[in-house]
Amino acid sequence: DADVTQTPRNRITKTGKRIMLECSQTKGHDRMYWYRQDPGLGLRLIYYSFDVKDINKGEISDGYSVSRQAQAKFSLSLESAIPNQTALYFCATSDLKAGGRFSTDTQYFGPGTRLTVL
Amino acid sequence: SQQGEEDPQALSIQEGENATMNCSYKTSINNLQWYRQNSGRGLVHLILIRSNEREKHSGRLRVTLDTSKKSSSLLITASRAADTASYFCATDVTGGTSYGKLTFGQGTILTVHP
Repeated sequence: DADVTQTPRNRITKTGKRIMLECSQTKGHDRMYWYRQDPGLGLRLIYYSFDVKDINKGEISDGYSVSRQAQAKFSLSLESAIPNQTALYFCATSDLKAGGRFSTDTQYFGPGTRLTVL
Repeated sequence: SQQGEEDPQALSIQEGENATMNCSYKTSINNLQWYRQNSGRGLVHLILIRSNEREKHSGRLRVTLDTSKKSSSLLITASRAADTASYFCATDVTGGTSYGKLTFGQGTILTVHP
């Protein structure tokens, strides 16, 4: 979806290096997410943010940190990259449609960043 | 462990045939969503079914939800080669205000042969 962009699209780095993956969106959504995808494991949530001042750990946050610089920008950092962080990383946004128990929130994904840590 | 588990892991059919994928989950949900991913690309939302709904249609897609069995199925009718992709179910779990914090299954890889 062109409304959600990720940079870089591909990155090869070495163990111990600091890496930042960036995500920008023009959809005007408050909610943003970072996932990683590994073969056979589907998508796993790393961090999520429901607004600029609300950042939460996901299922696999160890070794990662995030920054929500603005409503439109959400960055993921690997402070000291390790080989098992080699994966496909996706950013997503969503817009909650409130409805009490039947609230819905569909997600819009960026094109992904393929990260290789040697 | 994953909230959603999909079956089969891979499905290979001929163009024109129907494709059925199943998703089982463990805890109560607000809604269940299906997404599609073309090779190496971002996921695209296909359809959402709420916990109080049993069936939903969108074009050639039909989704069913059985909350008593904690399962859902996605049917793609009259499949086309362009339907070749991975399909993921994602559950939005009941409780709190964290609507939208989805848990994805491992996906079904669908291959449609021309």
